[in-house]
Amino acid sequence: DIQMTQSPASLSASLGETVTIECRASEDIYSNFAWYQQKPGNSPQLLIYDANSLADGVPSRFSGSGSGTQYSLKINSLHSEDVASYFCQQCNNYPFTFGSGTKLEIK
Amino acid sequence: QVTLKESGPGILQPSQTLSLTCSFSEFSLSISDICVSWIRQPSGKGLEWLATICWEDVKIFNPSLTNRLTISKDTSNNQAFLKITSVDTADTAIYYCARSQDNSGYFDYWGQGVMVTVSS
Repeated sequence: DIQMTQSPASLSASLGETVTIECRASEDIYSNFAWYQQKPGNSPQLLIYDANSLADGVPSRFSGSGSGTQYSLKINSLHSEDVASYFCQQCNNYPFTFGSGTKLEIK
Repeated sequence: QVTLKESGPGILQPSQTLSLTCSFSEFSLSISDICVSWIRQPSGKGLEWLATICWEDVKIFNPSLTNRLTISKDTSNNQAFLKITSVDTADTAIYYCARSQDNSGYFDYWGQGVMVTVSS
């Protein structure tokens, strides 16, 4: 199985700040990679796919980058509604695997 | 508007079989390149992909649970199903169904999830 190592596990930032979350795959996943946002009490929602493509309806302050084994999610100008957990996922090989999540809070 | 909704027994005892239903609308599992997957999340923890069924009836399972899983679909009624045999307390989780398309593996729509508790 491909292991997805996500960091940090938790993050506290101020409104308006820029934050970055990272994910490392245990082998090359050729950008077959996604980010999801899960707000408290809700199901995950697709944010980014193909490593850097914004899903429908996702604000442009979210962006994804990376290739090979290293990927990152950047949130510019943090909003209060960005409080959530964020998960990465590889879909290059079965079994699909997820990172352990990053819990983002506002300072 | 694509929607998915999971249903299940809520609570069951160890060693029983868990049966879950995913009812969906505004897409069909008879259309090329559409798949429905099951993913679970223990309370406060991460996500685990369990199984996928696609339009051509291809079925893929997580090897960690292969022997315990059955996945199926009813295209006429827009439903997908998951069964897990011999459950134990480690199977306690929120179970989600989610759609993917174009053989991408990305889950673009998710259900609200159904809580399943295994307890004696």
